[in-house]
Amino acid sequence: DTGVSQDPRHKITKRGQNVTFRCDPISEHNRLYWYRQTLGQGPEFLTYFQNEAQLEKSRLLSDRFSAERPKGSFSTLEIQRTEQGDSAMYLCASSLGRGKISYEQYFGPGTRLTVT
Amino acid sequence: AQTVTQSQPEMSVQEAETVTLSCTYDTSESDYYLFWYKQPPSRQMILVIRQEAYKQQNATENRFSVNFQKAAKSFSLKISDSQLGDAAMYFCAYTTSGTYKYIFGTGTRLKVLA
Repeated sequence: DTGVSQDPRHKITKRGQNVTFRCDPISEHNRLYWYRQTLGQGPEFLTYFQNEAQLEKSRLLSDRFSAERPKGSFSTLEIQRTEQGDSAMYLCASSLGRGKISYEQYFGPGTRLTVT
Repeated sequence: AQTVTQSQPEMSVQEAETVTLSCTYDTSESDYYLFWYKQPPSRQMILVIRQEAYKQQNATENRFSVNFQKAAKSFSLKISDSQLGDAAMYFCAYTTSGTYKYIFGTGTRLKVLA
């Protein structure tokens, strides 16, 4: 297992189009997180899953955003009717969810979204 | 609300020298965790070091160590014997027991001069 992977790495889309990103966590990790990072800023929390259950969503996650984690494995983040303000790096992270290191998150390389 | 502040947008250090990056946080919680992450250009974030709030001893990982001042809500990162490969954005992050989500600072860009 080589870590958290995300696909695609880059996405350019036109305003109003829908986009979907995929995250594959480290296989034994039961928690999965999505963050958004804009230029010059730290990542901001969007949502997180424990197994297949979505346990928390940020107010940043408008109705145009939806995330799923079917069967508690990979996760998808969909943005409908994209806006230029959605342009950002979308980061996925996972953590073990038990034991002393349960709070350590391991990050993927991110998906950079550009909305034109 | 919990916040994390990194007041140094950019720092420079000469190769082989020591540099300290600052981080302060605001919380009313007693059980929390603090982290430093490194984000090299166009590469993914890597955990550098972790500190549990209940531990009085400062964490160390090879050339990286922290100065954790709980009463002052300060969590600085010291990098000794700086190397060219240390050049990156460094983010301070906070989470509490049970919430799991991270709150990040705005980052400090570290430049290492040869």
